[in-house]
Amino acid sequence: QQQVKQSPQSLIVQKGGISIINCAYENTAFDYFPWYQQFPGKGPALLIAIRPDVSEKKEGRFTISFNKSAKQFSLHIMDSQPGDSATYFCAASEVGRGSTLGRLYFGRGTQLTVWP
Amino acid sequence: EAQVTQNPRYLITVTGKKLTVTCSQNMNHEYMSWYRQDPGLGLRQIYYSMNVEVTDKGDVPEGYKVSRKEKRNFPLILESPSPNQTSLYFCASSQSRTGSSYNSPLHFGNGTRLTVT
Repeated sequence: QQQVKQSPQSLIVQKGGISIINCAYENTAFDYFPWYQQFPGKGPALLIAIRPDVSEKKEGRFTISFNKSAKQFSLHIMDSQPGDSATYFCAASEVGRGSTLGRLYFGRGTQLTVWP
Repeated sequence: EAQVTQNPRYLITVTGKKLTVTCSQNMNHEYMSWYRQDPGLGLRQIYYSMNVEVTDKGDVPEGYKVSRKEKRNFPLILESPSPNQTSLYFCASSQSRTGSSYNSPLHFGNGTRLTVT
């Protein structure tokens, strides 16, 4: 059973546009929601993360919007640039409860292409 | 430089020939894990380790073995590789013993592309 569902699978955006990637989860115990960015030939790297006690987290052009009641969260990339072209993974975990509960569950990824 | 190092980066082998992919981290992390990445399937966890000599299965452990004899190393062993194990493999580590947290994110290596013919 897929713990985190991510869409779309691929996304093409014009330079300067807004890229939006959506994720949904079922486990209401999840309390840590990171996004990872992966460039070709590299491993995923943490981009930005949010806790469920806030509805939005912004770092530069990257914003996570979180809707706890809908069990959804999304990544917005403002003023998208060709250098943002990468694969993006959302993830979720239940932190701080010991055992395996800190394990990260990943979405299936979104391949973003930003055209110049 | 803090990093997770995997070797080799590329590996082509034949069915049934045992192989080992090494993983080493220099951050004194408690938690280490192996993932495989396949198109359309994202990152799937193979095995993880919360401490030395403590390992457990992830979502897709069949056909793989791991060991954690030292804190810094977590090799992935394919005793008898098959073509369906052709994939991109990532090792990852975290200071959080349970896998990941807000203050202890997961750090990934740069991957090993394995082809089994």
